[in-house]
Parts: sequence; C-alpha cells; structure tokens
Amino acid sequence: EPEVTQTPSHQVTQMGQEVILRCVPISNHLYFYWYRQILGQKVEFLVSFYNNEISEKSEIFDDQFSVERPDGSNFTLKIRSTKLEDSAMYFCASSSLEAANTEAFFGQGTRLTVV
Amino acid sequence: AQSVTQLGSHVSVSEGALVLLRCNYSSSVPPYLFWYVQYPNQGLQLLLKYTTGATLVKGINGFEAEFKKSETSFHLTKPSAHMSDAAEYFCAVGKMNTGFQKLVFGTGTRLLVSP
Repeated sequence: EPEVTQTPSHQVTQMGQEVILRCVPISNHLYFYWYRQILGQKVEFLVSFYNNEISEKSEIFDDQFSVERPDGSNFTLKIRSTKLEDSAMYFCASSSLEAANTEAFFGQGTRLTVV
Repeated sequence: AQSVTQLGSHVSVSEGALVLLRCNYSSSVPPYLFWYVQYPNQGLQLLLKYTTGATLVKGINGFEAEFKKSETSFHLTKPSAHMSDAAEYFCAVGKMNTGFQKLVFGTGTRLLVSP
C-alpha cells in the first residue's frame, strides 16, 4: 500500500540552527501538507501546497518557515532559525486531486527537538 | 472558525467492552468529520470519515461513528475492544467544498485496553 514517508524520524538541533524535514508524498498525489503537534497539544495545520505554491498557511507558519518541492518526489519543510518552541512532532500529509478535501494520508512524523 | 473538543484525554476499557470516544465539533459551515488513529511510533491513519450521505459511517477495525448535527457530535464506537485497539485517537473537522484539506484536530484521546 502506498504511504507517505518522512525522514528523519527524530532530529535534534541546536537553537538558532536551520533544519530541513523531508517527506516523500504518495506518488500520484498533488496536494501536500505540513502539520505539527507540540507535546500534549493538538495537531495543528501549518501549510498546504499545490501546483508549486502555497495554497494556505496558518499564523504559525511565519517567515522562519518555508516549504519546497525540489524535485518530483520530495516535499520539504525548512525552519531557518529554530527556537525552543519549535520542538514538536511534524507530520507531512498528501492528498490526491480527486479526494483533496476528503482524505489525506499522513506520514509517521518527524520528532524535532530543539536544545 | 472550526474547532473540535474531545472529552477525556484517556479512556480505559477492558478487552471485550464497548469503546466510546467522544467528539464534539463547532463549524459555521457544513463539516467534514474524521477520526484518525495513531499507534505508537506510527503516523496518523484514517479510521473513518463523514462527508455527505449516511450519518452512520463504518471504518476499519470494526469502528463506527455517527454524525449528529443536532448535537454537533461525531462519537466513535466499537462494540468490543481488542488489545490491539490501544492507541491515540484524534477527531478532526474539515470544510466542505474547499479545494484541499485543512483539518482542525482535537487534542486526542488515548485508549487503554486491559485484559
């Protein structure tokens, strides 16, 4: 069964450092998303991406964040200068064009720890 | 704005007992409703969803949920719990007629199943 894969599963970084979280969405999907979950809190929408541009972003997704689809398979989330409060589980998800607003497939997450 | 409330951060049941996980939502537009499950060290897996049509929806692993508009609820049930059901369950709401899926999640309910 096709799945969304994320790497690494756990990333530890020092405050102020740049970090890139990687995702490989399901191959025929066209919508891509990042969500995050701070420990003990809700899963929160960060950004959606379609046709090589951001469709919508939340207020969390400030100038420190960026997304990119550098090639035909990867979808990345970059945090330019990490802060302690960026520590969270980051989930990537993707949807097909036909089921864009009814079904998203999530990856297993990347746990980011900022020290 | 949309929101989800999941009552009970932890629910404990005995194997074979009824599982009931509560979810109430708030939405100014007709909602799409979802239940996701997260097993340890895994991603979010879609259990079931309500978009339109029949208000009682059946999902994987014997789970079902009923959309009750008058009660703004979408509670998840399973007649007989199995040890393998132990996981974290997330209720989420999305919007109908959007071009992509932006989900608002609840805080999650951890289901504990004892022998």
